[in-house]
Amino acid sequence: EPEVTQTPSHQVTQMGQEVILRCVPISNHLYFYWYRQILGQKVEFLVSFYNNEISEKSEIFDDQFSVERPDGSNFTLKIRSTKLEDSAMYFCASSQPTSGGAVYNEQFFGPGTRLTVL
Amino acid sequence: RKEVEQDPGPFNVPEGATVAFNCTYSNSASQSFFWYRQDCRKEPKLLMSVYSSGNEDGRFTAQLNRASQYISLLIRDSKLSDSATYLCVVTVYNQGGKLIFGQGTELSVKP
Repeated sequence: EPEVTQTPSHQVTQMGQEVILRCVPISNHLYFYWYRQILGQKVEFLVSFYNNEISEKSEIFDDQFSVERPDGSNFTLKIRSTKLEDSAMYFCASSQPTSGGAVYNEQFFGPGTRLTVL
Repeated sequence: RKEVEQDPGPFNVPEGATVAFNCTYSNSASQSFFWYRQDCRKEPKLLMSVYSSGNEDGRFTAQLNRASQYISLLIRDSKLSDSATYLCVVTVYNQGGKLIFGQGTELSVKP
C-alpha cells in the first residue's frame, strides 16, 4: 500500500540553526500539507500546498518557515532559525485531488519527524 | 471558544463495553467531518468520515448534527486494540483542505 514517508525520524538541532524536514508524498497525490504536534497538545495545521504554491497557511507559519517541492517527489519544510518552541513532531500529509466538489479527500499522514531544539 | 472541542477523557473501559465520544465545533462553515485515531507518538490515521445522515463501519457509528454543531462516535464491543486517542477533525470551506483537530480523547480498554 502506498504511504507517505518522512526523513529523518528524529532531528536534534541547536537554537538558531536551520533545519530541513523531508517528505515523500504518495505518488499520485497533488495536495500536500505540514502539521505539527507539540508534546501533549493537539495537532496543528501549518501549511497546504498545491500546484507549486501555498494555498493556505496558519499564523504559526511565519517568515521563519518555508516549503518547497524541489522535484517531482519530495516536499520539504524549512525552518530558517529554530527556536526552542519549534520542538515538536512534524507530520507531512498528502491527498488526492477532489472531483471538484466541496468535500476534501482523505489526507494520509507520514510517520512524522521529531524535532528537538536545544 | 475552541474551534473543535472534545470530551477531555481519559475513558477507561472494560473489553466489550460501549463507549461514546462527543465533539462540538464552532464554525458553522465547517464542511467535512472526520474521526481520526492516533496511537501513542504515531501519526493520525483516518478512522471514518462523518456524513450528515450518520454512518456505520462495523463496530463504529458516527453521527453529525449540523444544527447543534455536534459530532459523535460510538464504539461497540470495545477491543483491547481500540486503545488510542480519538481525534475529532473538521475542515472549513475554502481553507485549502486544512484539517482542524480537536485535542483528542484518550481511550484505554482493559481486559
